[in-house]
Amino acid sequence: RKEVEQDPGPFNVPEGATVAFNCTYSNSASQSFFWYRQDCRKEPKLLMSVYSSGNEDGRFTAQLNRASQYISLLIRDSKLSDSATYLCVASGAGNTPLVFGKGTRLSVIA
Amino acid sequence: NAGVMQNPRHLVRRRGQEARLRCSPMKGHSHVYWYRQLPEEGLKFMVYLQKENIIDESGMPKERFSAEFPKEGPSILRIQQVVRGDSAAYFCASSRTGDRTGELFFGEGSRLTVL
Repeated sequence: RKEVEQDPGPFNVPEGATVAFNCTYSNSASQSFFWYRQDCRKEPKLLMSVYSSGNEDGRFTAQLNRASQYISLLIRDSKLSDSATYLCVASGAGNTPLVFGKGTRLSVIA
Repeated sequence: NAGVMQNPRHLVRRRGQEARLRCSPMKGHSHVYWYRQLPEEGLKFMVYLQKENIIDESGMPKERFSAEFPKEGPSILRIQQVVRGDSAAYFCASSRTGDRTGELFFGEGSRLTVL
């Protein structure tokens, strides 16, 4: 089982749509979780951290379910500029490095 | 530019040659991480370094790959006797703290093509 698994997509959605990405992680000792965004042939950039209580940043909402080892990202009112690959990230156990999922590709269409 | 700087951005090597990739972390950051990204694959951790120390090299192939972060100068990822399978994007990231739970700031990557 991969450490961090994501649906690779692609998700093709019209502008203004709401889209949700899911992610599961295998290491129950993981303590920190993030969503990164990576544009085509660019570097990954932090989109938001994910907290147990859930957190929102504008049109983006992230949620964590520790019991199910499940992380989600919701994007409301999609914009063309949201088109990118979204990477789910979990910390390893102890002092091991961050583990990245393969990413979910989103295309927002006019 | 105060971000993570990587060079070269693109590097072409023939099989058997050596590749050297350089990374200067963000100002004030002393923790450097190297990740490799193959086409259609996720980022794979390779090595974590602090100045003059390798902290975690669990993701580094046992042969041909080495990394350093000297007291002065950039971090260097060195690949000897490159093979076609080494073709990938190599990303360097830095962080202010080394607790591995904070934000990583990535460079634009070095894309290695082995002919």
